[in-house]
Amino acid sequence: DTAVSQTPKYLVTQMGNDKSIKCEQNLGHDTMYWYKQDSKKFLKIMFSYNNKELIINETVPNRFSPKSPDKAHLNLHINSLELGDSAVYFCASSQDFLGTSHTGELFFGEGSRLTVL
Amino acid sequence: GNSVTQMEGPVTLSEEAFLTINCTYTATGYPSLFWYVQYPGEGLQLLLKATKADDKGSNKGFEATYRKETTSFHLEKGSVQVSDSAVYFCAGSGAGSYQLTFGKGTKLSVIP
Repeated sequence: DTAVSQTPKYLVTQMGNDKSIKCEQNLGHDTMYWYKQDSKKFLKIMFSYNNKELIINETVPNRFSPKSPDKAHLNLHINSLELGDSAVYFCASSQDFLGTSHTGELFFGEGSRLTVL
Repeated sequence: GNSVTQMEGPVTLSEEAFLTINCTYTATGYPSLFWYVQYPGEGLQLLLKATKADDKGSNKGFEATYRKETTSFHLEKGSVQVSDSAVYFCAGSGAGSYQLTFGKGTKLSVIP
């Protein structure tokens, strides 16, 4: 059983298109995240949701819109894709909000590699 | 704000060599510190952690000790294996921080 699963694993698309990446966790966690990993492996947080409520929204273009229909799902929709959006996007979850628990353990999905041509 | 600095890679070692990957942190208060590992083609997974000064985290032969005086959390392993080849991330979280702050990652390649 995959704890954090995201689809698709690979996505190749043209500039200007709109695409979505889906994420689901079956761990019963309250908090979910989206991270972007660039070609140099640098990880940057994009968004965090706690119990379906947005709690972290880093400086990300508003072409990126997260949606959390319930606390087990956090999807990422990207409008008007640009070349610079090419990266691996990781979904993650934690038992509770890091700011309060300090447990720090994040459970990551396997990543979705987005290539914009 | 919090920041984590780790040594840049890539690091290439022969099997059974000793590994050290340095990590230092800057934070308000005393953060919890972590090492995550990313094997090729996979997401990150927690390797070990320490939540207070002088704590030692250990797992799979890896160790790291939370040193308050030097604000460091260096990762060590006495004898690396080919299967340890991965990217290693140091990270910290703590009071006043709403997120886990990651270092830039260190790629380790172990050759037979």
